[in-house]
Amino acid sequence: NAGVTQTPKFQVLKTGQSMTLQCAQDMNHEYMSWYRQDPGMGLRLIHYSVGAGITDQGEVPNGYNVSRSTTEDFPLRLLSAAPSQTSVYFCASSYSGTVSWGYTFGSGTRLTVV
Amino acid sequence: SQQGEEDPQALSIQEGENATMNCSYKTSINNLQWYRQNSGRGLVHLILIRSNEREKHSGRLRVTLDTSKKSSSLLITASRAADTASYFCATVLSGNTPLVFGKGTRLSVIA
Repeated sequence: NAGVTQTPKFQVLKTGQSMTLQCAQDMNHEYMSWYRQDPGMGLRLIHYSVGAGITDQGEVPNGYNVSRSTTEDFPLRLLSAAPSQTSVYFCASSYSGTVSWGYTFGSGTRLTVV
Repeated sequence: SQQGEEDPQALSIQEGENATMNCSYKTSINNLQWYRQNSGRGLVHLILIRSNEREKHSGRLRVTLDTSKKSSSLLITASRAADTASYFCATVLSGNTPLVFGKGTRLSVIA
């Protein structure tokens, strides 16, 4: 049981490049989300999904796209990387709704945009 | 904007002492959760307390919730060096709304 798997663990991009951060979970969780963590800012929600085919924006969605074609995968796409997107990105999953369950987090992707 | 605010921002204690961290939030919630993050790692879920609960225990952890004051506290008893980490509170407003995190408390336990 791998839990939540994020790839890559580290990435350096040039300004303007695009890339996809991968997130996969094997727990049959319906709920998945992406957060970014910056020093002194805690975790801020980028996008989330309550099930396959359904996505919604969080607090800081600009510059990012998501899709949820399967229950297992929830990739995060950076359309045109900017230095302000330098951050650590975490994917998390949970059973449907969060009324009774905590989130399981991946180990993160550390992204640097130069 | 972030819903929860932890206090203090940083805490340093000796091994064996108790550590108390507080969290205040702004709006009514369905539940409140506490997470731990070791340096450079992902977050680990510690405990969840529902809005109709006042206190929960899990091992050396004790969480209280006061909905009238919109606040929660996390107590770690008999702390160990391995408890050194950042601790975050996070709230769920209702049903399928996503988890909203505070900025965290950095706990250092000195052996």
